[in-house]
Amino acid sequence: EPEVTQTPSHQVTQMGQEVILRCVPISNHLYFYWYRQILGQKVEFLVSFYNNEISEKSEIFDDQFSVERPDGSNFTLKIRSTKLEDSAMYFCASRLRLEQYFGPGTRLTVT
Amino acid sequence: KQEVTQIPAALSVPEGENLVLNCSFTDSAIYNLQWFRQDPGKGLTSLLLIQSSQREQTSGRLNASLDKSSGRSTLYIAASQPGDSATYLCAVRHGEGGSEKLVFGKGTKLTVNP
Repeated sequence: EPEVTQTPSHQVTQMGQEVILRCVPISNHLYFYWYRQILGQKVEFLVSFYNNEISEKSEIFDDQFSVERPDGSNFTLKIRSTKLEDSAMYFCASRLRLEQYFGPGTRLTVT
Repeated sequence: KQEVTQIPAALSVPEGENLVLNCSFTDSAIYNLQWFRQDPGKGLTSLLLIQSSQREQTSGRLNASLDKSSGRSTLYIAASQPGDSATYLCAVRHGEGGSEKLVFGKGTKLTVNP
């Protein structure tokens, strides 16, 4: 069964560094998302992406964040200058119709 | 602003018991509602999706109901098994303005004891 994949599973970075989190959505899906979950808190929406542009973003998704679909298969989230409070599990999701399918997540630790 | 609440926060039951998890949301103008399962340190597995026009959906031992006007959904698990132990998340997608985002509850942590 097709699934969303994410790499790396765990990323450790120093404050102020740039990180790129990678996702491969399910191949025929058209809508792509990033969510995050800070330890012990709710899953929070960051951004949605459709037809090569951002369709919706949350207040969290400020100028430090960007997304890209560089080719027909990958979907990336870039954080330009990481802060301690960016430490979280980042989930990529995709959908074709109604249901959003989530990847296993990338645990980002900012030290 | 949509708020999703799940009660109880944690539940421990003996194997074989039937159980109900609750989800409530403050804005009834939803497009659909999804139930997920999350295992520790892992991703979210979609269990059931109910559209706003539907009353319930079933998959195996799982049954989800939706009462949109009262802002409530329940997830019923029949004949629980230790393998059902996980955190169950409820998420709603808003119905107006073409919003894409899911708004999540904090989840109910279920432990099924052998």
